[in-house]
Amino acid sequence: DTGVSQDPRHKITKRGQNVTFRCDPISEHNRLYWYRQTLGQGPEFLTYFQNEAQLEKSRLLSDRFSAERPKGSFSTLEIQRTEQGDSAMYLCASSRGTSGDVDTQYFGPGTRLTVL
Amino acid sequence: AQSVTQLGSHVSVSEGALVLLRCNYSSSVPPYLFWYVQYPNQGLQLLLKYTSAATLVKGINGFEAEFKKSETSFHLTKPSAHMSDAAEYFCAVTLAGNNRKLIWGLGTSLAVNP
Repeated sequence: DTGVSQDPRHKITKRGQNVTFRCDPISEHNRLYWYRQTLGQGPEFLTYFQNEAQLEKSRLLSDRFSAERPKGSFSTLEIQRTEQGDSAMYLCASSRGTSGDVDTQYFGPGTRLTVL
Repeated sequence: AQSVTQLGSHVSVSEGALVLLRCNYSSSVPPYLFWYVQYPNQGLQLLLKYTSAATLVKGINGFEAEFKKSETSFHLTKPSAHMSDAAEYFCAVTLAGNNRKLIWGLGTSLAVNP
């Protein structure tokens, strides 16, 4: 069990550029979550996948944000036309998705985005 | 809608002293509750979780938390603080049957003084 991995760990970009982050969940975990965390705040839910289906998106996820999980394994989060307000830590988590069980989410180390 | 309030954004204790981090939740149905710890520049690590079984939950690193429905609380405690406990602690809630997204408190930064 190698844990949740995220790439890159840090990304610095200029305003207006597009960025893409990748998350590799724990193998056999069928749920995958994206959260955003700004300094001094708790994480905020962005979106959630059950296998390859994106089942819920937060209103925080503007049309500049898109997430995919094409084969139900890794996921990507893309931000188009980045703004300074997008600067944050982007966290990915995965869980087994076992029905009837408390579904514990395991987190990756995060990708810290800085928009200049 | 469910929510989480963590009282005290910063808590400072001496090494060896009791650690008490407060968490109150709001939920119309029985919740699942979690405590996570975040060390600098690292991801979130699960400390413990409440799953509607035992109300006193023991977690890793000597931490435990007690679910009190009457007080809508899930406070985190540790009898004796260690320097390595210095970190950010987050309380989170989710509902059974939901998509299980976590709703988070703002976090409490724990400092441990020698």
